[in-house]
Amino acid sequence: GQNIDQPTEMTATEGAIVQINCTYQTSGFNGLFWYQQHAGEAPTFLSYNVLDGLEEKGRFSSFLSRSKGYSYLLLKELQMKDSASYLCAVRPTGFQKLVFGTGTRLLVSP
Amino acid sequence: AAGVIQSPRHLIKEKRETATLKCYPIPRHDTVYWYQQGPGQDPQFLISFYEKMQSDKGSIPDRFSAQQFSDYHSELNMSSLELGDSALYFCASSQTSGAASSYNEQFFGPGTRLTVL
Repeated sequence: GQNIDQPTEMTATEGAIVQINCTYQTSGFNGLFWYQQHAGEAPTFLSYNVLDGLEEKGRFSSFLSRSKGYSYLLLKELQMKDSASYLCAVRPTGFQKLVFGTGTRLLVSP
Repeated sequence: AAGVIQSPRHLIKEKRETATLKCYPIPRHDTVYWYQQGPGQDPQFLISFYEKMQSDKGSIPDRFSAQQFSDYHSELNMSSLELGDSALYFCASSQTSGAASSYNEQFFGPGTRLTVL
């Protein structure tokens, strides 16, 4: 089975840095994705990790440790528009489907 | 750039009725996925198709069926609707074979909001 955990909610201030953690226990692993989802809208792709280490894309970075079953998404220079849910999703080995975590609702305040 | 198209965007049905949701993937994408997202829940994988063949099956009720057609669009058919079927239904597509990106990331459509009364 698959088990993916994230904090339910986080708050941060505009201009700050926030780290959203994700831990997973899966029967196989073929990559971890982070998606952003605004309320009532489609998830949009942010980042992908399949090897250990840090991937950086502009204000967003994602880290993976496969041995620890752990990933984090780092958001820098927070903007009000970053207020959204952030979904961690694992792609099990041999399958293309995504198994999503519970999602973290981030609220950015002025 | 072209995105995933879903129709209808909103649908209201009564209990025990049927519904058909349509999905048009991004051109040249060969894989289509269906997800169900209840209020305040994470998306749950229902079913996927690769090159018009079912490739994986998740927590899809027996009352639901889906298929992918020759033009790669997909339809999710839902019968004997229940109140608990009220949710956002997302379709996503990806390019699995010969992908330009090694990510095979899934691109999600805007979703169909189904309300069962």
